[in-house]
Amino acid sequence: GAGVSQSPRYKVAKRGQDVALRCDPISGHVSLFWYQQALGQGPEFLTYFQNEAQLDKSGLPSDRFFAERPEGSVSTLKIQRTQQEDSAVYLCASSLGLGQVYEQYFGPGTRLTVT
Amino acid sequence: KQEVTQIPAALSVPEGENLVLNCSFTDSAIYNLQWFRQDPGKGLTSLLLIQSSQREQTSGRLNASLDKSSGRSTLYIAASQPGDSATYLCAAGGGGYSTLTFGKGTMLLVSP
Repeated sequence: GAGVSQSPRYKVAKRGQDVALRCDPISGHVSLFWYQQALGQGPEFLTYFQNEAQLDKSGLPSDRFFAERPEGSVSTLKIQRTQQEDSAVYLCASSLGLGQVYEQYFGPGTRLTVT
Repeated sequence: KQEVTQIPAALSVPEGENLVLNCSFTDSAIYNLQWFRQDPGKGLTSLLLIQSSQREQTSGRLNASLDKSSGRSTLYIAASQPGDSATYLCAAGGGGYSTLTFGKGTMLLVSP
């Protein structure tokens, strides 16, 4: 079956522009996570959805970052008024449920470059 | 706050060697420990998941162990191959929603 897909794969934005990053999780996966990976670092948690409910957004770095999953499947991460420090790879992951038995499966990521 | 450290940061070995990658974490209250592989410019591929109640998991030439009490996990790769060259990340799953806290990774190069 299909894995997690993300689009676009690459995005170049001028400082101040708004961007929208899309994630299509594995069908039937309840949990969806967004992570941010800066160059040379491990991914860092941004936000978590269980179905359509955003249950944890403690990792979002500022109020310019907004995520939604209105129908409990596809999710969009939106960044308003992009800044250079937003340049990173944004990774989406999904899992069947919560708890110790469930693996997170990652998409290929969207590489955002803010110029 | 959970912190995950991976040692070494980089490792270069000749083909055929057995090798061990190390991961340590500060908070032993984890749900699971997951090892990933990341190729340049690509996403993460899950290699092994060890539940908090388990001590180890094996998949082919890979074996991962977990010692919660000491806050350590190791990934053992047997008979390394050039195709194993990648960055290996460990991640501790915990908190209310099993969010993953990652180390910075070990960059492995296996030369023919």
